[in-house]
Order: sequence, then C-alpha cells, then structure tokens
Amino acid sequence: GAVVSQHPSRVICKSGTSVKIECRSLDFQATTMFWYRQFPKQSLMLMATSNEGSKATYEQGVEKDKFLINHASLTLSTLTVTSAHPEDSSFYICSARDGVAGTDTQYFGPGTRLTVL
Amino acid sequence: GNSVTQMEGPVTLSEEAFLTINCTYTATGYPSLFWYVQYPGEGLQLLLKATKADDKGSNKGFEATYRKETTSFHLEKGSVQVSDSAVYFCALSAGPQTGTALIFGKGTTLSVSS
Repeated sequence: GAVVSQHPSRVICKSGTSVKIECRSLDFQATTMFWYRQFPKQSLMLMATSNEGSKATYEQGVEKDKFLINHASLTLSTLTVTSAHPEDSSFYICSARDGVAGTDTQYFGPGTRLTVL
Repeated sequence: GNSVTQMEGPVTLSEEAFLTINCTYTATGYPSLFWYVQYPGEGLQLLLKATKADDKGSNKGFEATYRKETTSFHLEKGSVQVSDSAVYFCALSAGPQTGTALIFGKGTTLSVSS
C-alpha cells in the first residue's frame, strides 16, 4: 500500500528557533499534500494544502509567514515552523493524495511531535 | 458547508462486545466517506472507505455503509478486541476534482478491556 513518511518523528527546540518537518510519499507521486495540526485529544485541523510546484493554500487563521510550506517535488513537501514558540507545540501530520491513481484517498504520515521550550 | 458529526466518547467496551460509532455528515454533492483509526502515539491509518451511496466499506472486521437517505456512515464491528483500542475518526472528502482536504469529525476514543 501507499506509504507516507515524516521526519523527524519528534523534535524539541528552543523558543525562537526554526524547525523543518519533511513529508515524503515513498511509492507514489503526490500531486497534493496536506498539513494538519492536532491538539491533544482533539481532531485534526487542516493548516494548508500544497500542490507540487505552486504556492500552498492556507486555511483561515494560519499564518503563512510562520508556517512555511514547500512542495518542490512530487514526493516531498516540507513544513518549516519559523521562530517557534511554546504555543506552536503540537502534533503535526501530513497526508498525501495519489495524483496518478486519481483517487481521493489520502495517506497519512506517522506525525511529528514538536515541543518548543 | 461540509461537516462531520461523530458520537462523543469515550466508548468503553468489554472484549467481544458489539461496537457502533455513529457518524453523520452534511455535504453538498456526493462526497466520499472514510473511517480512519489512530493508535496511541501514531498517525492516522485508513480503516475503510465508501465512495457512493449504498457502498459498504469493510476491513479487519469493521464495516460501514454509506447511507445517503440518512446522511450517515456508522462504524460497526461484531466483536471488538483489546487491540482495537484507539481513536476513530469519520471523515469526508468532496472528491479529487475540487482538490479539497478531508473534513474530520472530532474523533471517538474506544477503550476495550479484557
């Protein structure tokens, strides 16, 4: 089946630093990738949608200058949390849609736990 | 707009009990419907899906039927196991043509004891 990986799985950083999270589709081409944020015991909140080769579309209330998304290839999207603060601590999950198969099924990465001290 | 409503948990069951987690949706057009499962400390895994009315998705003993007349997609399993303990999310997608992301319900925590 389709596999999506995320790296790192956990990261702890100091306030004010930037953190990059990678999302890769391992065995399919992902024309669209999504970034979600999940707070403890809550549902997933969509942050942004990224299409390969174009700018990401951010959801209302998500700061695009703080959460930089790059979808440079059909298998890789990155989320950079710039000047991170403790309130950015969360579980970040990416998902990818198989563009070739044309299915609307999304495959999720295992998530990245970010802790900002 | 599109939305998903799930029964609130937690749901606590004994092993081999019957499970139902209710899910209803509001959507324009003909969405695809999904159930995802999240085990502790992990990301989401697709459990099953249905893409049109009256379709039944099934996997690992779980099943759900796309009911357009009641706008529902309830998850059921005849005999739960301890290993089924997880958070279950109902979700919908308006389809690839619209390029929309999934819309999730709030999740239902299932706890199964032996």
